[in-house]
Amino acid sequence: DAGITQSPRHKVTETGTPVTLRCHQTENHRYMYWYRQDPGHGLRLIHYSYGVKDTDKGEVSDGYSVSRSKTEDFLLTLESATSSQTSVYFCAISGKGQKYTDTQYFGPGTRLTVL
Amino acid sequence: DAKTTQPPSMDCAEGRAANLPCNHSTISGNEYVYWYRQIHSQGPQYIIHGLKNNETNEMASLIITEDRKSSTLILPHATLRDTAVYYCIVRDGGSQGNLIFGKGTKLSVK
Repeated sequence: DAGITQSPRHKVTETGTPVTLRCHQTENHRYMYWYRQDPGHGLRLIHYSYGVKDTDKGEVSDGYSVSRSKTEDFLLTLESATSSQTSVYFCAISGKGQKYTDTQYFGPGTRLTVL
Repeated sequence: DAKTTQPPSMDCAEGRAANLPCNHSTISGNEYVYWYRQIHSQGPQYIIHGLKNNETNEMASLIITEDRKSSTLILPHATLRDTAVYYCIVRDGGSQGNLIFGKGTKLSVK
């Protein structure tokens, strides 16, 4: 494993409530990513970060926000959760000194259910 | 969209080599071939990647054809724990953008 943890690992919440998922790394990688995985869609990028306080949107960013105040932590927030955000969320990291290629390493995932 | 084509499923006998093919006929000169796998409910696991030369590590070997339009991932002695979905991904070298996962190949080791 590449020193990535996600918390919580499972969460059940109700529509309209705010939810924050945490990704923590111990590898000092520069880049961090949030993906969601749904049946029939594979993994899709939500947001990513290329440094502390530097973030950008991915393919499916609507309804999500992120923050990165420290190198090791990348937070994903659902401001007002909806049932369509029921999914498995994966964090990934990359960018530890590889010159021409980049390998992403994934966390164990968070299973979120919005009722 | 994914730039690769893989068979949806394959079977392999335990202890035998598993050879997983991938077509990437539109690959460009600076794009690498990456392989990941995902065991049920777990995060995708990096296996190996290469540009044009064959590569080997402790998990697998990657054979890339000379024209780079296809590749094969080889698991030399498959075990039950290798049962997973295997994804072949083509990606620009040095890119820090997202990985685009296709549907992959479901490998069943029996």
